[in-house]
Amino acid sequence: LAKTTQPISMDSYEGQEVNITCSHNNIATNDYITWYQQFPSQGPRFIIQGYKTKVTNEVASLFIPADRKSSTLSLPRVSLSDTAVYYCLINPDSNYQLIWGAGTKLIIKP
Amino acid sequence: GAGVSQSPSNKVTEKGKDVELRCDPISGHTALYWYRQSLGQGLEFLIYFQGNSAPDKSGLPSDRFSAERTGGSVSTLTIQRTQQEDSAVYLCASSLNAGNEKLFFGSGTQLSVL
Repeated sequence: LAKTTQPISMDSYEGQEVNITCSHNNIATNDYITWYQQFPSQGPRFIIQGYKTKVTNEVASLFIPADRKSSTLSLPRVSLSDTAVYYCLINPDSNYQLIWGAGTKLIIKP
Repeated sequence: GAGVSQSPSNKVTEKGKDVELRCDPISGHTALYWYRQSLGQGLEFLIYFQGNSAPDKSGLPSDRFSAERTGGSVSTLTIQRTQQEDSAVYLCASSLNAGNEKLFFGSGTQLSVL
């Protein structure tokens, strides 16, 4: 049964690079890895998606090793406003039965 | 509208009363999800609609919960005879099509059952 595992919480400081890793040992061959960000009193927001190696956008980078059993969301030079919960997600059956991680609560300190 | 709209944003009700939560998805999005999120917890899948097809209701926690989607657009989640354990944020999301992992969420309805 596919599942994702991520740390419950992480702390860091402004200006640092933050890496959040999600493990998904049973990821399907054709499955993408997707990450979301959720601020208090808001719904989750899509931030990045990838299949292999590295993907970068204006918000974050996503690193996926060759075996694809894990993925790492990298947030460069974080600020206080990056304090949020980050979720990884897979979709092993390529349908609506999405597998959400439990979320990583990231707290950025001044 | 530009995004997924949910109403009301907050609902306080008394135990035993019925409530209706509304979701207006992004125009043209055929897939619609309802999730529940308890305080400090992750997302609990409730129900999924794809266009005008029969929904997947497998996540509904009891027969007090029901949902419909009219005309493949607006959806309403109804909770009958509310209980205190129903207190949570109810999130609606839509995506362009089935199997698309890019979901657009509303801000949710905070339901408090006294």
